[in-house]
Amino acid sequence: DTGVSQNPRHKITKRGQNVTFRCDPISEHNRLYWYRQTLGQGPEFLTYFQNEAQLEKSRLLSDRFSAERPKGSFSTLEIQRTEQGDSAMYLCASSLPHRLAGLTDTQYFGPGTRLTVL
Amino acid sequence: DAKTTQPNSMESNEEEPVHLPCNHSTISGTDYIHWYRQLPSQGPEYVIHGLTSNVNNRMASLAIAEDRKSSTLILHRATLRDAAVYYCILRGAQKLVFGQGTRLTINP
Repeated sequence: DTGVSQNPRHKITKRGQNVTFRCDPISEHNRLYWYRQTLGQGPEFLTYFQNEAQLEKSRLLSDRFSAERPKGSFSTLEIQRTEQGDSAMYLCASSLPHRLAGLTDTQYFGPGTRLTVL
Repeated sequence: DAKTTQPNSMESNEEEPVHLPCNHSTISGTDYIHWYRQLPSQGPEYVIHGLTSNVNNRMASLAIAEDRKSSTLILHRATLRDAAVYYCILRGAQKLVFGQGTRLTINP
């Protein structure tokens, strides 16, 4: 399978614990995005990388959240001191924009990591 | 971020065409219109996009109004597998800004 993969698929944790999610994008995709989706809502943008550079962060990404993409391949999203409000589906997407194609690159999404904070 | 308005839900019958509307009266000249859909328990998937002209691909057609203030996603012959939440997105930057979308139900 050459799609975007995310691990783990499900995570249950207690309030106050730290959690880390991993995203493996489609090979050679240089853009990687993180989104968060709560029940009944559309996904909300969190942050994105071009290669290893983090180019944009949403104000939703509080100081407890940190994302990295150390070698421009896989990415990790860490949440420190989790709160019940962090319970959501965390989605990763990747794309390979053509430099002449404007904002037309397709974002390919992974299946998500469902986080439940008790 | 420019805003889109979609009906919360729509229902159609299998093998019939479906027209999903989207209003985007504040669209800017450089915004692309993208459609994604999200099947149950999956991440969103790309459907189609356009700028000014109508577009067709193997999944759907996109009809864009001449003033670009509205668009319609057309599924020519709905199947049960098309039951999903459909998101109309105005893309003026790298990120996708999702609204609440239209939940499409297909009746057998």
